Amino acid sequence: GQQLNQSPQSMFIQEGEDVSMNCTSSSIFNTWLWYKQDPGEGPVLLIALYKAGELTSNGRLTAQFGITRKDSFLNISASIPSDVGIYFCAAVDYKLSFGAGTTVTVRA
Amino acid sequence: EAGVVQSPRYKIIEKKQPVAFWCNPISGHNTLYWYLQNLGQGPELLIRYENEEAVDDSQLPKDRFSAERLKGVDSTLKIQPAELGDSAVYLCASSSPGLNNEQFFGPGTRLTVL
Repeated sequence: GQQLNQSPQSMFIQEGEDVSMNCTSSSIFNTWLWYKQDPGEGPVLLIALYKAGELTSNGRLTAQFGITRKDSFLNISASIPSDVGIYFCAAVDYKLSFGAGTTVTVRA
Repeated sequence: EAGVVQSPRYKIIEKKQPVAFWCNPISGHNTLYWYLQNLGQGPELLIRYENEEAVDDSQLPKDRFSAERLKGVDSTLKIQPAELGDSAVYLCASSSPGLNNEQFFGPGTRLTVL
């Protein structure tokens, strides 16, 4: 089964808002990843984090690798309609494990 | 550059029938993965290939699932016989060591077993 606890499960956000989602685990990981999946498509990598404490940005997205190596969060700033989708955290030990996803819906 | 190609995109079959999914990875990617994604869940690894060798098939239900990557390029995942609980999206991904092993996913095959 999946080892990663992702929250929230879903969120409705107002266009222009900043939003945040996070992922926790009881296990330590060396790499944390954040993916976005649009309907009918496979997941696409947004941000990769390789070092505890690392803070990385990709446009309006910012993610951090928790200092304990057991958690990570993703922030989306100034959300826009195309941010709709499912966001997955993932972490790597000997394989890639995914959280259950956060479904984001934007109110125009 | 073409991404990971999967076919078919959709498949509807009756239970107990066989079904096969095909994946063509990104050119030059030696590592190929098959994932199962149930509704409302993240993908779960079924099998990983390094070239033509299956290096991790611990999560593949071997009583009914099989996979092959005979020439180390394309791969086929088969289910025989299919059960109702096999309804899901089957994703293929590929990666290369030169790109931090970032996995690039195909669009998936959505299987419905009736």
